[in-house]
Order: sequence, then C-alpha cells, then structure tokens
Amino acid sequence: GENVEQHPSTLSVQEGDSAVIKCTYSDSASNYFPWYKQELGKRPQLIIDIRSNVGEKKDQRIAVTLNKTAKHFSLHITETQPEDSAVYFCAARAGTALIFGKGTTLSVSS
Amino acid sequence: DGGITQSPKYLFRKEGQNVTLSCEQNLNHDAMYWYRQDPGQGLRLIYYSQIVNDFQKGDIAEGYSVSREKKESFPLTVTSAQKNPTAFYLCASKALSSSYEQYFGPGTRLTVT
Repeated sequence: GENVEQHPSTLSVQEGDSAVIKCTYSDSASNYFPWYKQELGKRPQLIIDIRSNVGEKKDQRIAVTLNKTAKHFSLHITETQPEDSAVYFCAARAGTALIFGKGTTLSVSS
Repeated sequence: DGGITQSPKYLFRKEGQNVTLSCEQNLNHDAMYWYRQDPGQGLRLIYYSQIVNDFQKGDIAEGYSVSREKKESFPLTVTSAQKNPTAFYLCASKALSSSYEQYFGPGTRLTVT
C-alpha cells in the first residue's frame, strides 16, 4: 500500500524566514496530494492541495510543488508569521483513502 | 468543516470496557473515515466507508469496529481488545463526486485507565 514519509519532524524559523517541508510517497498511482495544518487540540484544516497533472500551485504565502518522477512533493511557506506555528501534515491519496505523513511541528519565533 | 460533529470531546473509560465514539455529518457526503492520532505518529487510518452498509479496514483496524446504517452517521467502537486505546480520534468525510477535499470533525480525546 501507499507509504508517505515526511521531513523534518520539527522546524524552527525566525519570523519572516521561509519554511520548507518535504514528503515522499511510494505509490505511483497516487494522484492527489493535500497539506493540512493542525493547531493544538484542533482538527486538521486543508491549506493547499495539488493534483498529479500540475507541477506547482501557489496561494498567497504558501506553495506546493510536485515531482511525479521522483515521487516527492514539498510545502513552501514564505514570510513566516507566528500564527503559522502549528503541525503540518502531508498526505497522498491511494484509492479512496488519504495516507498521511507523521507531521512537522513548525515553530515561528518573533 | 462545521458540518461534521463528534461527541463527546473528552471521554474517560476503565480498561476492559467497550466505548463508542459518535460521528455525524450533514454535508451529504458519501465517504466517511476514522483516524487515530498519537504524538509523533501522524494520522493513521482505522476504518472507512464509501456507502451505507459497507466499510473497509484501514491500516490499524484491530480492536475496533464500525457500522454505517445511515449515510450521515459512522460510529466507531473501541473494544477491550484494543491494547492501547488512549488517543485522539478524528472522523472525516468526503463527497465521492469530483471533490477531492476531505473534511475533519473536531475529534474525541479518549483516555482509558
């Protein structure tokens, strides 16, 4: 089945810096790759997603890139702010269910 | 995301007791999912269902059971066979049409002592 690896597990940046989180997946049939943000004690919220027919997608300060050949995708956050501090999860869709990475705890200090 | 509810928010049980977690959605979504979240482990799939009266095991189904008698409801029972039941449980749903997005409920934190 699908396996998703996510790195790093923790990431600390200064406010205004960029943050990059990387994921790899194993199932070449996966065609949908969302990123979720989860604040402490709350539900995961979708922040951006990309489908396999697109190489890059941007939404204001966040962007996702996908390399289907290498089977990896990345989340880029520019001009980080303290409110970006949270746990971020990548996922890949294998069939009807999402398979998630283990998460990255992002800390943005001001 | 406000269309999916889970109750209760916190649940405490004694070891050896079965407990049922509620998940209801009013989004008219066909597919529903249960995930378990532990620190540093991400979200692991327990069970999912695409239509009423049908469901499939996920990666960690042992010690859990589900039912899908109504489209809007997908309760999860944590049985006494589950060795480490203390965790944060998240329910999610998705339309089976062209929409790809999966919506999560607020979660139930289960503590078994």
